[in-house]
Amino acid sequence: GESVGLHLPTLSVQEGDNSIINCAYSNSASDYFIWYKQESGKGPQFIIDIRSNMDKRQGQRVTVLLNKTVKHLSLQIAATQPGDSAVYFCAENYGGSQGNLIFGKGTKLSVKP
Amino acid sequence: KAGVTQTPRYLIKTRGQQVTLSCSPISGHRSVSWYQQTPGQGLQFLFEYFSETQRNKGNFPGRFSGRQFSNSRSEMNVSTLELGDSALYLCASSPGDRNTEAFFGQGTRLTVV
Repeated sequence: GESVGLHLPTLSVQEGDNSIINCAYSNSASDYFIWYKQESGKGPQFIIDIRSNMDKRQGQRVTVLLNKTVKHLSLQIAATQPGDSAVYFCAENYGGSQGNLIFGKGTKLSVKP
Repeated sequence: KAGVTQTPRYLIKTRGQQVTLSCSPISGHRSVSWYQQTPGQGLQFLFEYFSETQRNKGNFPGRFSGRQFSNSRSEMNVSTLELGDSALYLCASSPGDRNTEAFFGQGTRLTVV
């Protein structure tokens, strides 16, 4: 039968506002997490990562928070700009080797000028 | 420093044919991972190669295979193509150590008709 596309959660924000994108990860043994941004027609772009021995990490205009108790990640984008419009994915890595990243379904961020 | 290069960018193949996709990682990176991205299933891990050896494998049929050369360049092959293999195929390059950043190429858009 015809495959049904993933229904991506959508977050719509006004330019200049802060954005918070949430992600629930699946494995309590995961020890490394990455946030990616994917624009239409492009590959995922690395934004920021965090290891499980941390609960917060800051980059340029972005902050990632990790709550291992509830297996939750969030990405905060300060002063959101139209160029931030994209689909955002969280990815987790657990056990085994480095290369196997498990991706979340993604959140579509739409920034209104 | 050049990024991850995937060739070709676009490909149209007929059911039953086979296809080979290529990925050149970032200079100095020894790990190459392959992912399939579809609207229905999202981003799914295919396999990872490190120092010419398959280090990890996802849950895909044997029609999907890969290899890595001594210069870390990698190829993936899909034999006996099916309509459902139509997807964006992405490769990710990383140094290969645990919990280090993985950077993606632009992907190869494969359409099977």
